[in-house]
Amino acid sequence: DTVLTQSPALAVSPGERVTISCRASESVSTLMHWYQQKPGQQPKLLIYKASNLASGVPARFSGSGSGTDFTFTIDPVEADDIATYYCHQSWNSPDTFGAGTKLELK
Amino acid sequence: EVQLVESGGGLVQPGRSLKLSCAASGFTFSDYYMAWVRQAPTKGLEWVASISYDGGSTYYRDSVKGRFTISRDNAKSSLYLQMDSLRSEDTATYYCTTTSLQFDYWGQGVMVTVSS
Repeated sequence: DTVLTQSPALAVSPGERVTISCRASESVSTLMHWYQQKPGQQPKLLIYKASNLASGVPARFSGSGSGTDFTFTIDPVEADDIATYYCHQSWNSPDTFGAGTKLELK
Repeated sequence: EVQLVESGGGLVQPGRSLKLSCAASGFTFSDYYMAWVRQAPTKGLEWVASISYDGGSTYYRDSVKGRFTISRDNAKSSLYLQMDSLRSEDTATYYCTTTSLQFDYWGQGVMVTVSS
C-alpha cells in the first residue's frame, strides 16, 4: 500500500502562514486530496487533485505538488482552523490516508 | 444540501454481525459512487469499501474482504454495509461518503464497538 507521511503536529499563531507536508512512498500523480477534521466532527474536503479548492472553502487554503511531494498551506491561519489535517491518495489501490497533522495554537 | 445519515451501529460481540445503513438526500444518489471510510478511536482514517453507481462493481480493503458486503438501493437513496465475523480491530466510527476520486461529502458517522 502507498504510505503517506505527514508531520504529526504543528504549533501556529493566528495570522501566520502554515505549511503541512505529505510525502508518498510512490508516485500518486496529482491524485492527492486534503481534509480537515475538528474534534467530534466528520472530515471535510478542502483540496482535491492536489490544488483544487473544494466548493465553499476559503481561498486561505491552498495545495500544491505532484508525484511524491505535496504541500497544504493556510495563509493566514485563523483560530477556527485548529484541527487535524489529513492527506489522501487515490492514484494507487487501495486508497490510503496520512496519519494526520494536528494544528495547535502557540 | 447534501445529507448523509448513518445508522445501525452499536456494541456487538466478536464473530457476530451488524448492518450499517446510510440515508442520502440533497443530490442524485445514483450519480455517485459511494464508499465507507472508518476511523478507530483516536486513530486516522481508513478506506473500507466502495461501490459503483448501479452497484455492479464493489471494492474492498483486504482486511474486510469476505467479511463485509457493501450494497446500495438507488430507489431508496440508501447505502449499506453488512459486516460479518466482526473482530475487535473493526471497532471504529464508520463514515458514509460520496466518492469520485476524492471523498466529497461525509456523514456524521456511526460508532461500531466489537467487544465481549
